[in-house]
Amino acid sequence: ETGVTQSPTHLIKTRGQQVTLRCSSQSGHNTVSWYQQALGQGPQFIFQYYREEENGRGNFPPRFSGLQFPNYSSELNVNALELDDSALYLCASSSLAGGYTGELFFGEGSRLTVL
Amino acid sequence: GENVEQHPSTLSVQEGDSAVIKCTYSDSASNYFPWYKQELGKRPQLIIDIRSNVGEKKDQRIAVTLNKTAKHFSLHITETQPEDSAVYFCAAASNSNSGYALNFGKGTSLLVTP
Repeated sequence: ETGVTQSPTHLIKTRGQQVTLRCSSQSGHNTVSWYQQALGQGPQFIFQYYREEENGRGNFPPRFSGLQFPNYSSELNVNALELDDSALYLCASSSLAGGYTGELFFGEGSRLTVL
Repeated sequence: GENVEQHPSTLSVQEGDSAVIKCTYSDSASNYFPWYKQELGKRPQLIIDIRSNVGEKKDQRIAVTLNKTAKHFSLHITETQPEDSAVYFCAAASNSNSGYALNFGKGTSLLVTP
């Protein structure tokens, strides 16, 4: 097992609602990244957190926001949900040291359905 | 930004044959190229990666080649087995102190038939 855990595993929301997804990183990892994977597509980078600060962001609107806590766990928040937000949300942890990031370890994901 | 193209989108081979998946990328600053395997309903798992300072890397039946001049890299799986059936994703990233994002291809669905 990789040690990255995500919750909840599945959830259903309606348009306009807000959702919070949670991730516990693998022991020893200080960096958490979030990816959105639509059905039949490759994962798309949302953002990355390092030392509790956003450390890179993909092409996602501000209603996608996140947090990283002192224990390196993280949350992804999505406001004003849209139907296109339906996807598998993957959290990945890694270790950033000396300017180089090691292998990404993915969690099993949270599957969000927006109705 | 980086754009990663992956081909083919589907690939069917007989058990024991080889499978090759190819990817191209656009950003010459990219220097890290991992390959992930994702089984249905499971997490992506790293199977092999290569950094830009090498041209080839091999791990048992899996090998990756990188041509930085042409900006393409390939995954080679030899002696395929039914358990190799999955979706394979290539990715490209540039490593920096500000972190990095993996830019994924759209995936190749590999089916190995007995």
